[in-house]
Amino acid sequence: RKEVEQDPGPFNVPEGATVAFNCTYSNSASQSFFWYRQDCRKEPKLLMSVYSSGNEDGRFTAQLNRASQYISLLIRDSKLSDSATYLCVVIGSNDYKLSFGAGTTVTVRA
Amino acid sequence: EAGVTQFPSHSVIEKGQTVTLRCDPISGHDNLYWYRRVMGKEIKFLLHFVKESKQDESGMPNNRFLAERTGGTYSTLKVQPAELEDSGVYFCASSQGPGREFFGPGTRLTVL
Repeated sequence: RKEVEQDPGPFNVPEGATVAFNCTYSNSASQSFFWYRQDCRKEPKLLMSVYSSGNEDGRFTAQLNRASQYISLLIRDSKLSDSATYLCVVIGSNDYKLSFGAGTTVTVRA
Repeated sequence: EAGVTQFPSHSVIEKGQTVTLRCDPISGHDNLYWYRRVMGKEIKFLLHFVKESKQDESGMPNNRFLAERTGGTYSTLKVQPAELEDSGVYFCASSQGPGREFFGPGTRLTVL
């Protein structure tokens, strides 16, 4: 079983729409959770950390469900510039290394 | 502030040859990581340096891969001899703490 699993998509949505997707992780001892964004042929960039209480950053909302071991990302009022691959990233306990999901591709169309 | 830089951006070599990738982390970042993305797969951890010491090299595929970080500044990753399955994008990242990694642009390695 993979450490981090994501729906690869693609999610094709019109501008202004809301899109949401999840990722699941296998290690119940995982301590830290993040969403990274990766544009085509570019490096991953940190989008936001995910906290137990849930958190928002502008149009982006991240949720963590420890009991079910999943993380979600919701994008409101999608912009063309939101088109990218979103990588779910988990760090285990006593660990620094990032475990990546394979990514969820989002395409926002005009 | 300069970000993480990697050299070269692309490398095309033949099977059996040697390639050395270089990473310059953000100044002051003690933590340096190497990751790799093979075509169609997720990004995978290779190893982690804290200053010049290897903290975790559990992700290194085999002994054809050698990473160094002399003096705790830049790092090199040597593949010798290269095999076809080594093709992929090699990312370097640096951070001051866990989870706040800044990634370099990657080196795209193609082994023919």
